[in-house]
This record gives sequence, structure tokens and C-alpha cells, in this order.
Amino acid sequence: ETGVTQTPRHLVMGMTNKKSLKCEQHLGHNAMYWYKQSAKKPLELMFVYSLEERVENNSVPSRFSPECPNSSHLFLHLHTLQPEDSALYLCASSLYLRDRAGGYTFGSGTRLTVV
Amino acid sequence: KNQVEQSPQSLIILEGKNCTLQCNYTVSPFSNLRWYKQDTGRGPVSLTIMTFSENTKSNGRYTATLDADTKQSSLHITASQLSDSASYICVVRGNNNDMRFGAGTRLTVKP
Repeated sequence: ETGVTQTPRHLVMGMTNKKSLKCEQHLGHNAMYWYKQSAKKPLELMFVYSLEERVENNSVPSRFSPECPNSSHLFLHLHTLQPEDSALYLCASSLYLRDRAGGYTFGSGTRLTVV
Repeated sequence: KNQVEQSPQSLIILEGKNCTLQCNYTVSPFSNLRWYKQDTGRGPVSLTIMTFSENTKSNGRYTATLDADTKQSSLHITASQLSDSASYICVVRGNNNDMRFGAGTRLTVKP
């Protein structure tokens, strides 16, 4: 394990459902990120949090709603998703915001399938 | 067009053979370049990081090279093992801290 834990590992949901993805790290990192990984495409940055404050939202549709209650936990709330939202959702953390030297620690991801 | 292009998109080799993965980028100005390994069903894990002044860096059987003039990097895997089967992702960071991800190379090592 990398120290970044994501749950659930797999999720199948209907387009009218509401679900949440959870990410947890106890590495003492101050920044956390949500990425979307679709097949054969580069990782897409969705949201960036630094010390629980959202500092970046990369034009993500409002059907994705992030929440960062503290520096160790990050959630991604999902509602009325589309089939094209099916992907691997990765959470990452870093000691500092956009830490150059230390890099990012990634979780194992949540494989989301929207039916 | 993506600022980080990786080739080949996929590669199949026999166990014990060597292989080289390529990464070309246009990110400028350049800060550093990382190679990540992503096993199936897992998140990416950093293999190496290279800065502007570094030409080559090794991590066990993995050797990364960087030519900052031509904006090219390679990842060479020696004496491949079945456990090397994974996606390898090149990530380039600019001086503005913007990170650009390649789409990855899917490597399959067969016995």
C-alpha cells in the first residue's frame, strides 16, 4: 500500500444514483488531488485541495462534487452521471501543493462503471 | 495535441528481453520529468525523477535517460520479468508547476 487509501475499489452505479468516493491519507501531506483516468488517455486533473481549501477546479461538470473535510480525507460525490464518466478515479496527495521534488503518492483508484 | 507523447502505445516482449520506451515532450520551460509504473488495478508509482541537468538515472533494472535539448526521454528495462507487465507513464512538470501526463505505454512481458 502506498499510504493513500481509496474506497470503494469498484463501483457500478445507475445514471440516477448518488454515490461517493472516499480517499484517505495519513502521510501528513497537505495537498490532495482527484484525477480521472480513461483508457488510452492521459490522466486528467479534476480538483486540487491545499490545506482543505479547493484551489483548482478544472472545468469539471457539476455532477462531480468534491469535499475535503480535513487534510487527511477527500471525497468525490457523484450524482446523475453519464456512461462516459466511466473511468478509473485516482486520488493523490503530496507534502506541499504541486510538490516538485517529492512528487505525488497515488491511491489504487476506484473503478467506476456507469450503466 | 498532448504536450507529452509516448511510444509505443503498447509493447509485448518475452521474459528476459530488454526494451525501451520513449517519451517526447513540448513542455517549456522544463522543471522535471518522472516515469511512473502503474500495475493493473493500482495507482501509478514513481520510478525515477530527472531534472534538467541529469542525463541518465538508474533504479535497479530501470534506466531513464533525458535529452533536454531534443526534449526526449527514454526508459530502458533490462532483463524483463513478468512483474514488469504494467503501464509506464511519463509525466513532465514545467516551471509553472503545471504537470502534463503522457497516455502511457502498456508493456506485456510473456513467459
